[in-house]
Amino acid sequence: IAGITQAPTSQILAAGRRMTLRCTQDMRHNAMYWYRQDLGLGLRLIHYSNTAGTTGKGEVPDGYSVSRANTDDFPLTLASAVPSQTSVYFCASSDSYSLNTGELFFGEGSRLTVL
Amino acid sequence: GQNIDQPTEMTATEGAIVQINCTYQTSGFNGLFWYQQHAGEAPTFLSYNVLDGLEEKGRFSSFLSRSKGYSYLLLKELQMKDSASYLCAAQPSYNTDKLIFGTGTRLQVFP
Repeated sequence: IAGITQAPTSQILAAGRRMTLRCTQDMRHNAMYWYRQDLGLGLRLIHYSNTAGTTGKGEVPDGYSVSRANTDDFPLTLASAVPSQTSVYFCASSDSYSLNTGELFFGEGSRLTVL
Repeated sequence: GQNIDQPTEMTATEGAIVQINCTYQTSGFNGLFWYQQHAGEAPTFLSYNVLDGLEEKGRFSSFLSRSKGYSYLLLKELQMKDSASYLCAAQPSYNTDKLIFGTGTRLQVFP
């Protein structure tokens, strides 16, 4: 089934630990994104990648890093987790070069709790 | 600055019509998106407006006024399954998909 796969679905993490959220898409989309969604704040962009080998900072990048070694994978790493990073994380992709409509396709989300 | 405003919550009755408004103020603007998000699930695309006017797609329609910085999503013949959050998102320029999202409007449909 084509789409975006995120892992893990849910995770409880001790503060100070390192954590990587995985995201894989099989639609050959050029662009990928990481958003976090918090109650009352909506979806906020953390990092993005317009194409393999390039990444950029979004609205709330501090404490997070990403890499884009190939088209399909876009992992998000928390080097040293803090409680304020408790959130639901959504990975998304788009095929903007072909359609230029900006429609985002979202993964099912990863619920992270930092204690 | 970047600002997207939409009501936090709305309620409606099955079979009725509801209009969810969104106003935006962004440093650049190309288009306006609406996404639907059921509780605990991923957002899914509903509509995309670039030009002024109404775009109709089945029971859902979306309107855009670029001069007023205003959009609305119109849902007709409401069904229980329409209970969800509706996210308004602005596209700051034509060559970016880095959307700016509003906080979402939670719609509850009652029988």
